[in-house]
Amino acid sequence: AQKVTQAQTEISVVEKEDVTLDCVYETRDTTYYLFWYKQPPSGELVFLIRRNSFDEQNEISGRYSWNFQKSTSSFNFTITASQVVDSAVYFCALSEANTDKLIFGTGTRLQVFP
Amino acid sequence: DAGVTQSPTHLIKTRGQQVTLRCSPKSGHDTVSWYQQALGQGPQFIFQYYEEEERQRGNFPDRFSGHQFPNYSSELNVNALLLGDSALYLCASSPRQGSGAFFGQGTRLTVV
Repeated sequence: AQKVTQAQTEISVVEKEDVTLDCVYETRDTTYYLFWYKQPPSGELVFLIRRNSFDEQNEISGRYSWNFQKSTSSFNFTITASQVVDSAVYFCALSEANTDKLIFGTGTRLQVFP
Repeated sequence: DAGVTQSPTHLIKTRGQQVTLRCSPKSGHDTVSWYQQALGQGPQFIFQYYEEEERQRGNFPDRFSGHQFPNYSSELNVNALLLGDSALYLCASSPRQGSGAFFGQGTRLTVV
């Protein structure tokens, strides 16, 4: 069965600190996709990144970076030099290759204080 | 280019009533999925529509039904509302399988 675990319920940091959000997944498929979404208080889920199971290269986009390790079934997300606008709930999600059905974790609430 | 739009944004219904939520997908997207997000939880997959047919369904009772129109827009219907149906209902669209879904702002349903 597919499962996504985000063990960190809530993280609080002070602006300019680096923060890493953890994500561990379970799947029996060899082909799958991993995602991160941001949910600000407005409620809309904002797509951040998509990764397929065959691409383990780390990715950096501005202050955001992602570390995908198949050996530990983890897909962690790091925000460098956090800002108050980064405050939101962040969700990690998993989907199998032949479907768009997303399995979400329970989310990590990030609070960045000035 | 408009993203995924949902209506209404907020809704209050009485237990036992029926509700219809609406979604217009992002331009160029032909697949629409619906999710239910209870407070403090991650979204849960309800079902997905493609070519006007239900392609996949999550673990939700038959009280939850849907429809997709030729223009790819979609409706979610919930009958015999329960207090536990109170949640944020999110619509997502995608252009092809595995590409990732783009979400609307959601409809917050409160059942009293």
